[in-house]
Amino acid sequence: DAGVIQSPRHEVTEMGQEVTLRCKPISGHDYLFWYRQTMMRGLELLIYFNNNVPIDDSGMPEDRFSAKMPNASFSTLKIQPSEPRDSAVYFCASTRRTGRTEAFFGQGTRLTVV
Amino acid sequence: SQQGEEDPQALSIQEGENATMNCSYKTSINNLQWYRQNSGRGLVHLILIRSNEREKHSGRLRVTLDTSKKSSSLLITASRAADTASYFCATDARGAGSYQLTFGKGTKLSVIP
Repeated sequence: DAGVIQSPRHEVTEMGQEVTLRCKPISGHDYLFWYRQTMMRGLELLIYFNNNVPIDDSGMPEDRFSAKMPNASFSTLKIQPSEPRDSAVYFCASTRRTGRTEAFFGQGTRLTVV
Repeated sequence: SQQGEEDPQALSIQEGENATMNCSYKTSINNLQWYRQNSGRGLVHLILIRSNEREKHSGRLRVTLDTSKKSSSLLITASRAADTASYFCATDARGAGSYQLTFGKGTKLSVIP
């Protein structure tokens, strides 16, 4: 398996633009997590899905953020409109069953909003 | 809010020395995991210890868990320059119908050749 695949690896966009981050989890994993990592706040859990259903989105910072998982092999995190303070590295991770096995992380998307 | 808190925030040691990192957490857990992150990369799982376990070994790694103190430690023995990375603890918090994997801010380890 190729592991968790995220795209793009790097994204530079102007303030106010819409940004879409993509994630393909490992086949057979039924949990998918979106995290944001910054120097100031560390690794924050934004939202997670179980069997494509959002379970907890309390970490999503604002209504500008939204996430979807239309099927077991694809998820998106969208920011609209983007702001400079959204600049961070966004990670997607998947696991077969959280709390019982390890989570596998993608390489992350480094987002810069100018 | 962050469940796990690692200390120290940064640690610098000579190659061959042992490195110890600590993690404290706040609520009851199912298990605790340690991850490693090399600069610019994703996190990689190192070891998982369940709430009913007290100690676990994997190669040069030794993890302890004290649920009464809500704390864990990660020991890396005979460190190598390649161990230079950030190390995070993650807790699977026990909650009503909802499981999450939350991370601390990490310990940045530098191993000097």
